[in-house]
Amino acid sequence: KAGVTQTPRYLIKTRGQQVTLSCSPISGHRSVSWYQQTPGQGLQFLFEYFSETQRNKGNFPGRFSGRQFSNSRSEMNVSTLELGDSALYLCASTAAPTSTDTQYFGPGTRLTVL
Amino acid sequence: GEDVEQSLFLSVREGDSSVINCTYTDSSSTYLYWYKQEPGAGLQLLTYIFSNMDMKQDQRLTVLLNKKDKHLSLRIADTQTGDSAIYFCAESRGRGYQKVTFGTGTKLQVIP
Repeated sequence: KAGVTQTPRYLIKTRGQQVTLSCSPISGHRSVSWYQQTPGQGLQFLFEYFSETQRNKGNFPGRFSGRQFSNSRSEMNVSTLELGDSALYLCASTAAPTSTDTQYFGPGTRLTVL
Repeated sequence: GEDVEQSLFLSVREGDSSVINCTYTDSSSTYLYWYKQEPGAGLQLLTYIFSNMDMKQDQRLTVLLNKKDKHLSLRIADTQTGDSAIYFCAESRGRGYQKVTFGTGTKLQVIP
């Protein structure tokens, strides 16, 4: 079974631009969560989607948004990029929120904002 | 709110045992996890323990949970150079609640 895939793996943007990251969960998994990892703040929860609905949201500004499609693939968008948005963005999937399965992480997208 | 603390760095000699410690504050934590992150890679789930357990062993890995003190540890027996990585402790409330709170990570350096 293929793991969680994230595209692109690396991205360089400039301040003020916007960016869209993509995550394909493990086949059959319907819950997708997003995390931001930075050296200063560590791993922080962004949001979680299940059945195309956002179920939980972390403490991030409205510039960070996401969505989930009917095939469970998810995208996250960051608008008006700031230097501090440079981070590794990790996506994780589970079968369902009520499942006892734990989250399986993708390799991440490394975003650099210049 | 939830908080998970870990020491930042641990250095051990190859063949020795490593013990990585973690403390958490959320008494509602149901699942406690250990993840491994190698350079340039995502997170790999190593093992997890339910809060109603106090120990779990999985090959070279032993997890100990002291729920009273909210203390979790990961012991790696016969540590190898391939174990060099950052290890994250994490907690969640489990079912129906997929928000996972991670610790700061402990960088394990294995000296040959």
